[in-house]
Amino acid sequence: AQKITQTQPGMFVQEKEAVTLDCTYDTSDPSYGLFWYKQPSSGEMIFLIYQGSYDQQNATEGRYSLNFQKARKSANLVISASQLGDSAMYFCAMRRRYGGATNKLIFGTGTLLAVQP
Amino acid sequence: NAGVTQTPKFQVLKTGQSMTLQCAQDMNHNSMYWYRQDPGMGLRLIYYSASEGTTDKGEVPNGYNVSRLNKREFSLRLESAAPSQTSVYFCASSVNRGDIQYFGAGTRLSVL
Repeated sequence: AQKITQTQPGMFVQEKEAVTLDCTYDTSDPSYGLFWYKQPSSGEMIFLIYQGSYDQQNATEGRYSLNFQKARKSANLVISASQLGDSAMYFCAMRRRYGGATNKLIFGTGTLLAVQP
Repeated sequence: NAGVTQTPKFQVLKTGQSMTLQCAQDMNHNSMYWYRQDPGMGLRLIYYSASEGTTDKGEVPNGYNVSRLNKREFSLRLESAAPSQTSVYFCASSVNRGDIQYFGAGTRLSVL
């Protein structure tokens, strides 16, 4: 079965420090995509970063980077120089093949990040 | 920058009532999705529409129906609401299936 696991229910980080949010996945598909979304207290889901299974380099988007270790099936999100506005719930998600169509996202249960001043 | 717009933002229903959640996107995306978010369970796909004129079931479709009204709009209908349908509902869209999905702000629904 295809699955996303986020083992950290909650984390604290000091402002300006870097933090790593863990995500492991399980799939037998050779082609898949990994996503991270941010959900602040206001409730919306904000896309952060994407990594394709065939991408050779780790994805980066500003202060966000994805530490992709294919052999270990992990796709950890690294946030550098944390800001108070980074306090939110973070979800890891995987795009799977469903009925022959690549269109379904499977989400992990999320990690609640609190940035302390 | 409207993106994906969901209405209403909040709704309270009595068991057995019906309602329709509305979703519209202005990004000219082909694919649209409905998810529900429950505590400790992440998001689960209810229905999706890969392109205008098509709809398909996701992993939790029971108790719901959808209509892809046109390219912009994708509605979710609860015909006879049940307390188990108390949840936060998200609509999302993507250029095509498999592409990055962009989400609306969500609808918080309580069924009493």
